[in-house]
Amino acid sequence: DAGVTQSPTHLIKTRGQQVTLRCSPKSGHDTVSWYQQALGQGPQFIFQYYEEEERQRGNFPDRFSGHQFPNYSSELNVNALLLGDSALYLCASSFSTGTGNEKLFFGSGTQLSVL
Amino acid sequence: GENVEQHPSTLSVQEGDSAVIKCTYSDSASNYFPWYKQELGKRPQLIIDIRSNVGEKKDQRIAVTLNKTAKHFSLHITETQPEDSAVYFCAASRPGGFKTIFGAGTRLFVKA
Repeated sequence: DAGVTQSPTHLIKTRGQQVTLRCSPKSGHDTVSWYQQALGQGPQFIFQYYEEEERQRGNFPDRFSGHQFPNYSSELNVNALLLGDSALYLCASSFSTGTGNEKLFFGSGTQLSVL
Repeated sequence: GENVEQHPSTLSVQEGDSAVIKCTYSDSASNYFPWYKQELGKRPQLIIDIRSNVGEKKDQRIAVTLNKTAKHFSLHITETQPEDSAVYFCAASRPGGFKTIFGAGTRLFVKA
């Protein structure tokens, strides 16, 4: 049973560029959440996708967008990259109960460096 | 806004001693409190969780306690071992909410 997989593992971009990160959820899960983890900090919620729609969003600008596909996999897109976007981007999958409080299973993350 | 504060940021203990990590949450509607362990270069993994209708939960050497009135919850690790060395994150979420708010983490060192 594959867990949560993310690609790529590492990425280097320059300011102003755009990036797409990918995530495949754990088998049996239907929900994908994205988190940004800066060095030495806890994960910060970006947004959650369920039934191919953004269900909830954290305090991130519109430069951050996402998508969920019919097979439950998801993409995170970041436009107009800033130096401050450098971080570990974690994908977490869960099975939706409809009431929240879902147990999150994390991928290993994509380390994004913006130069 | 919603916030989870975690203390201490760094904790060093001798192997075999106990370790306690404390968290405070701001959203009184929070009712689910998971704890995650993140080893260096690895993904965060859920190690234990507690819901607001329970005051304490134990799983072998780890236990969590919750004080809803004070909006405090704690992680207790007994008989620590070197493999317990990692960063531990507390977190909170509210009913009907789909985001989990994380603390800043506690780096635990267990000295052999």
